[in-house]
Amino acid sequence: GEDVEQSLFLSVREGDSSVINCTYTDSSSTYLYWYKQEPGAGLQLLTYIFSNMDMKQDQRLTVLLNKKDKHLSLRIADTQTGDSAIYFCAEALAGSARQLTFGSGTQLTVLP
Amino acid sequence: EPEVTQTPSHQVTQMGQEVILRCVPISNHLYFYWYRQILGQKVEFLVSFYNNEISEKSEIFDDQFSVERPDGSNFTLKIRSTKLEDSAMYFCASSGDRGSYGYTFGSGTRLTVV
Repeated sequence: GEDVEQSLFLSVREGDSSVINCTYTDSSSTYLYWYKQEPGAGLQLLTYIFSNMDMKQDQRLTVLLNKKDKHLSLRIADTQTGDSAIYFCAEALAGSARQLTFGSGTQLTVLP
Repeated sequence: EPEVTQTPSHQVTQMGQEVILRCVPISNHLYFYWYRQILGQKVEFLVSFYNNEISEKSEIFDDQFSVERPDGSNFTLKIRSTKLEDSAMYFCASSGDRGSYGYTFGSGTRLTVV
């Protein structure tokens, strides 16, 4: 079955770039997503990328997709303390009713 | 910005009791979902709902679970006889279509079964 993996923790200094990585196993992924979860809050969609794209940039966020290696990354430029949260990558598979398979989440801690 | 609203934010129930978790999806959305996140584990798909019927469900969504859209506004998840292992954060989500855009999630209901 499909599986999505992420490293559990990442710490960066305020102002530095953060790179959160994700690997997935199912090559039939159609869309890949990044969600942010702040304490006590729901899942906020940050950005997504279609599987035929290599890169997508949205302000401070850059998503890179290496379909050959089934590797997805999220780069946050000029990381701020407000970016501290758990970041989930998720994939949607072709042919499903768009159910998402989530990774375990990466806890990003931004140090002052 | 439109939101998905879930109530209550936290529910405590005794094992064996029935619970109903409520959600108000975004008004013009057509697809509705329930996910759950057991503490420390991944967010897991439970069920998707479209055109007044279940589109897909996971193996977690057994006979103890049911969903309903009773009035065109609310979308509910019922657990008939709760077990300790049903304790989790339950997220409702909705989307406008089966196209490219990710869902909008609610802020979740934390269910604690004692």
